[in-house]
Amino acid sequence: AQSVTQLDSQVPVFEEAPVELRCNYSSSVSVYLFWYVQYPNQGLQLLLKYLSGSTLVKGINGFEAEFNKSQTSFHLRKPSVHISDTAEYFCPSGGSNYKLTFGKGTLLTVNP
Amino acid sequence: NAGVTQTPKFRILKIGQSMTLQCTQDMNHNYMYWYRQDPGMGLKLIYYSVGAGITDKGEVPNGYNVSRSTTEDFPLRLELAAPSQTSVYFCASSWEPTSRKTYEQYFGPGTRLTVT
Repeated sequence: AQSVTQLDSQVPVFEEAPVELRCNYSSSVSVYLFWYVQYPNQGLQLLLKYLSGSTLVKGINGFEAEFNKSQTSFHLRKPSVHISDTAEYFCPSGGSNYKLTFGKGTLLTVNP
Repeated sequence: NAGVTQTPKFRILKIGQSMTLQCTQDMNHNYMYWYRQDPGMGLKLIYYSVGAGITDKGEVPNGYNVSRSTTEDFPLRLELAAPSQTSVYFCASSWEPTSRKTYEQYFGPGTRLTVT
C-alpha cells in the first residue's frame, strides 16, 4: 500500500524568503505525484503534477518540484514567497488506479 | 465551466438527523469521489464512482451512502448523523485512468458539516 509523509506539519517563513515543503512517498510500483494547495476555507487546487518524463516539474504561481526516485521524495520549492502563498499544501500520490493517497498536509505561513 | 460544485456550503445537524450533500460536475468526468477532511489528518476517501450506476467503498465508508444515477451528479447521504461525522466534505472528479496514465482530480469548494 502506498503512503505519503509530509515531513513538516507547519512551515513559517518571511515574505520573499525561499521555501521548501518536503514530501516522501513509499511505493513499490509506478507512482504519480501531485502537489495541491488549499487556501483558507476553499477546495484543493492543483499546483503541479509528475506523471513521467522530466523529474523537475514546474507549476503555477512560481512553484516547482523535483521527483527523486532514489530518495522517494517530491519536495516543493519556491524561490521567493508572498503573503498570498499562505495556505495548506498536500502532496498525494497515485498508482495505476484512480486512488490518491494523501499525507497530513503542511501549513505554510508567510509572515511580513 | 463551473467545474465541481457542492451544496450546501455549511450545515449544522442534530444527532440522528439525515441529510444529503450534493455534488455536480460539468466536465464529463467518469470518475467521482467523496473525501472528508479532519484537522491535521489530510483527506480520507469515503466513496468513489467509476461511472453512472457504479459505486464502491473507500477508506472510511461507515455511516455514509452514495448513488450515481447520472454522469454529472454524485450525492453523499448521511442517514443517522453522529458527532464523529463533523468534518469538511469534498467532492472531486477526474478522467478515467488508463494502464499508462492517471489524471489529476478536480475538487469542489467543500461542505462544512457540524453534528451536535
